[in-house]
Amino acid sequence: GQQLNQSPQSMFIQEGEDVSMNCTSSSIFNTWLWYKQDPGEGPVLLIALYKAGELTSNGRLTAQFGITRKDSFLNISASIPSDVGIYFCAGQANTNAGKSTFGDGTTLTVKP
Amino acid sequence: NAGVTQTPKFRILKIGQSMTLQCTQDMNHNYMYWYRQDPGMGLKLIYYSVGAGITDKGEVPNGYNVSRSTTEDFPLRLELAAPSQTSVYFCASSYSQGGGDTGELFFGEGSRLTVL
Repeated sequence: GQQLNQSPQSMFIQEGEDVSMNCTSSSIFNTWLWYKQDPGEGPVLLIALYKAGELTSNGRLTAQFGITRKDSFLNISASIPSDVGIYFCAGQANTNAGKSTFGDGTTLTVKP
Repeated sequence: NAGVTQTPKFRILKIGQSMTLQCTQDMNHNYMYWYRQDPGMGLKLIYYSVGAGITDKGEVPNGYNVSRSTTEDFPLRLELAAPSQTSVYFCASSYSQGGGDTGELFFGEGSRLTVL
């Protein structure tokens, strides 16, 4: 099946620093999505991308849909302690299939 | 607005026991999903449904069954629990737009299952 390679696996940063993480795939996706999961909770959608080359922001978060449709990145600017959590990318190949493939996540730790 | 509600939140099963994880959503979403999340891993799709009366297998369906008799409910059944089914289970739903699935998943809080 389809696989997503998400990197880095974990990050330890100082409060105020910028963060960048990315996902790559060997196959094409029509939709890229980024989620955040806090401990003990379900993932929450941060940003959804629907067009190749699309660049979308949500507050301090910015995500891009790669031109090749095989990759996406997420940037977090000026990190704060509440950014701590696990960030997942997800790709959807077919809007009629109703299913997404998830990366293994990037665990972010922010030191005050 | 409750969103996606899962019960129970925690459960311990003995090998061979059966149980049903309940999931209900009040957003009138067409699509519903069950994922499992193992430690340090992403989410693996177990089963999904594109509407009432329609279900299909995902990536890891073995050992599970589902039904979708209503738009709101999508229970997941484990018939003969095995230690390999120890995991956190997430139910999710999404809505359609322009005739297709947006892929924007709304997750429940998860059900933590341990099989001993």
